[in-house]
Amino acid sequence: DVKVTQSSRYLVKRTGEKVFLECVQDMDHENMFWYRQDPGLGLRLIYFSYDVKMKEKGDIPEGYSVSREKKERFSLILESASTNQTSMYLCASSSGQGMLGNQPQHFGDGTRLSIL
Amino acid sequence: AQKVTQAQTEISVVEKEDVTLDCVYETRDTTYYLFWYKQPPSGELVFLIRRNSFDEQNEISGRYSWNFQKSTSSFNFTITASQVVDSAVYFCALSEANDYKLSFGAGTTVTVRA
Repeated sequence: DVKVTQSSRYLVKRTGEKVFLECVQDMDHENMFWYRQDPGLGLRLIYFSYDVKMKEKGDIPEGYSVSREKKERFSLILESASTNQTSMYLCASSSGQGMLGNQPQHFGDGTRLSIL
Repeated sequence: AQKVTQAQTEISVVEKEDVTLDCVYETRDTTYYLFWYKQPPSGELVFLIRRNSFDEQNEISGRYSWNFQKSTSSFNFTITASQVVDSAVYFCALSEANDYKLSFGAGTTVTVRA
């Protein structure tokens, strides 16, 4: 089974802090994703990466950056946390085989981040 | 613009009732993929099914079944004889060919009461 592990289930930080959310997958997947989930809005894509050191902006990248130095690890960075970034953050990975969009994404347990 | 619409925000049923979750999608591509995910209270999204646009055959997996109709751009999900463990948020999602991105609906919260 695919295992996507997020470093924290719950995290509380203060406004202005730099925040790192870590995600590791163990299936040698090429693609990795970061989403945020808010009530009534579903999941919205922040950033994704299709290869080491490669990244692409999703739908809501403002205020975030990412890092992918190794294939198995994808980090989300909040450069200067703000209260409107309080949310559930979900990491996912998928295989790069076959046609783009074909492979299901596999998700971690999520990190519930509160910015005070 | 949102590409996936789940009009039902919440559904509450009594155990053993059937429940159908609606999903309507929008795309200009002829090749696309549809997914359903389940998110139990623990938080992790669990992949349930993938369908490609060329396969309209309905699918059944245990108590779960899916009805894909291109004519109405719908991909509905039915839970037969619901159980308390089916209580979760269910998401429908769409990806288009040559695109990494999944577009999710807003989700439908299903509560099954004993």
